[in-house]
Amino acid sequence: DAGVTQSPTHLIKTRGQQVTLRCSPISGHKSVSWYQQVLGQGPQFIFQYYEKEERGRGNFPDRFSARQFPNYSSELNVNALLLGDSALYLCASSPFFSVDSYNSPLHFGNGTRLTVT
Amino acid sequence: QKEVEQNSGPLSVPEGAIASLNCTYSDRGSQSFFWYRQYSGKSPELIMFIYSNGDKEDGRFTAQLNKASQYVSLLIRDSQPSDSATYLCAVNYNAGNMLTFGGGTRLMVKP
Repeated sequence: DAGVTQSPTHLIKTRGQQVTLRCSPISGHKSVSWYQQVLGQGPQFIFQYYEKEERGRGNFPDRFSARQFPNYSSELNVNALLLGDSALYLCASSPFFSVDSYNSPLHFGNGTRLTVT
Repeated sequence: QKEVEQNSGPLSVPEGAIASLNCTYSDRGSQSFFWYRQYSGKSPELIMFIYSNGDKEDGRFTAQLNKASQYVSLLIRDSQPSDSATYLCAVNYNAGNMLTFGGGTRLMVKP
């Protein structure tokens, strides 16, 4: 089975622009989560979507938004880009709502590296 | 604020040795714990997950969980140069998939 797929792999944007990142979960997985990883730090949680509804939001400004489609794929949108938004954006999927469900760990995609100039 | 702490390293071990990576967390109510390996410029790759106190073994990897002391560790036996990477500890503090990650420990295995 294919893993979590993300597109694009790399992106260069200018301050103030808007960006859309895409993610397709592992087949059968209904939960998609987004994380931001700044260089030298661990990933930081942005959003979780489960069954097309937002089920969790991290400490990020309203410039960040996301949605999940009927086929469980997801998009992350970031408006009014700042230099500090430069990071690796990771999408992760799991079959259930919670990783506390046995054998339901998060699997990450290869990420989208966003550079804001 | 709920936290996950890891020594940033680098932790340097000779090839064939046991590498021991440690992680502490702040919330006793946490239910699930994860170790991810991340090569430079790549995304995190799941290595181990553990839910219950004690040891869990998978090949050369052993995860150890002690909820009373609030620490989780990862042992890598017969370390290989290909194990050189950053190892991320993650804890689920809430319902859902809102993992909190430590900053990672960089492991270097020298031939």
